[in-house]
Amino acid sequence: QKEVEQNSGPLSVPEGAIASLNCTYSDRGSQSFFWYRQYSGKSPELIMFIYSNGDKEDGRFTAQLNKASQYVSLLIRDSQPSDSATYLCAVIVNSGGYQKVTFGTGTKLQVIP
Amino acid sequence: DAGITQSPRHKVTETGTPVTLRCHQTENHRYMYWYRQDPGHGLRLIHYSYGVKDTDKGEVSDGYSVSRSKTEDFLLTLESATSSQTSVYFCAISEQGVGNEQFFGPGTRLTVL
Repeated sequence: QKEVEQNSGPLSVPEGAIASLNCTYSDRGSQSFFWYRQYSGKSPELIMFIYSNGDKEDGRFTAQLNKASQYVSLLIRDSQPSDSATYLCAVIVNSGGYQKVTFGTGTKLQVIP
Repeated sequence: DAGITQSPRHKVTETGTPVTLRCHQTENHRYMYWYRQDPGHGLRLIHYSYGVKDTDKGEVSDGYSVSRSKTEDFLLTLESATSSQTSVYFCAISEQGVGNEQFFGPGTRLTVL
């Protein structure tokens, strides 16, 4: 089992719809969770981070964390063509006194005009 | 790209040759990272630095070495490049440690023939 798993997609949604991106992780000791957006040929940029169970909203983006079920989601409301990108989930684990970051392989999102 | 530059941006080299990639930051962040990104594997941490002359290994450090003699520069060296090291290499920085927001450089596309 991979430490961080994401469906590679592509996930296609029509413009204006809600896009739901999911990430599951295997280590119950995972403490911090990040979502990065990466446009084709570009570098990743941070969208959101979440540490506590529940929802965290920032504009059109909502991160949802469920530690009992070991998943973190990113919802994008009113999806726009400019949201078309690959979304990377990153999970932080405290391991032996050190923090370790593991990235998922990413989900490619296509927003259809 | 948050004051991060990488050089070169593209490089083609032959198997067995040494290669050095440079990351330069103007943000005065303490932590610097080198990742490689490959299809199907996502971003994987090669090495990171938590201060001048302080470095540690990531999950895929074999065949790579790093050096940091100044806060602003972090060098990644492939002592003897192999075809399996063909990849896109990203440098990242963060103010705090691994478990915090990271800012990524533009990337270097390395091809080893």
